Amino acid sequence: EAGVAQSPRYKIIEKRQSVAFWCNPISGHATLYWYQQILGQGPKLLIQFQNNGVVDDSQLPKDRFSAERLKGVDSTLKIQPAKLEDSAVYLCASSLVGVKEAFFGQGTRLTVV
Amino acid sequence: AQSVTQLDSQVPVFEEAPVELRCNYSSSVSVYLFWYVQYPNQGLQLLLKYLSGSTLVESINGFEAEFNKSQTSFHLRKPSVHISDTAEYFCAVSEPDSSYKLIFGSGTRLLVRP
Repeated sequence: EAGVAQSPRYKIIEKRQSVAFWCNPISGHATLYWYQQILGQGPKLLIQFQNNGVVDDSQLPKDRFSAERLKGVDSTLKIQPAKLEDSAVYLCASSLVGVKEAFFGQGTRLTVV
Repeated sequence: AQSVTQLDSQVPVFEEAPVELRCNYSSSVSVYLFWYVQYPNQGLQLLLKYLSGSTLVESINGFEAEFNKSQTSFHLRKPSVHISDTAEYFCAVSEPDSSYKLIFGSGTRLLVRP
């Protein structure tokens, strides 16, 4: 069974530029999560989708971050414009509806200079 | 708000020695508890979970954790560690009515020395 796929693995951008990350969840997983993991901290939930609807985006900085999940499968997370403090690993995870176990991708490491 | 505390940022231990990684959470309601492991440059992998039933849960690679409701703890233990256990370990909690979103602790780096 294929796992959660994320791309790119690494990205370096200058502050005020824009960037987008892509996630393909495990086939059949209706729930998709984006987490931000800053160095030395645990992952923090940014947004949760169920199919193509948003379940929780309370911690998403909506002035610069956006995410979509068209057709309830793949998802993209965008940052525009990026700030230095956005440097982090962005993790995508997916799970079956009502199942407590989430499966994580390898993450995208973003460095903003 | 729900929170998870992992007091030890790093735990150095010699190979074949026992280890305990501590985790405490703040909640007055029923919760689900998890330990995830993260190897360098990799994503998070579920190590073990407590959902209900027996308070002692085990993983396939020798780790175990015990849910203690009165102390709101879920400490991770292994009687004899290997070099390959060197990784970052994250404790996480979710509440049944929170759409199962995970709240993570800050992580504990387990460093196993030969």
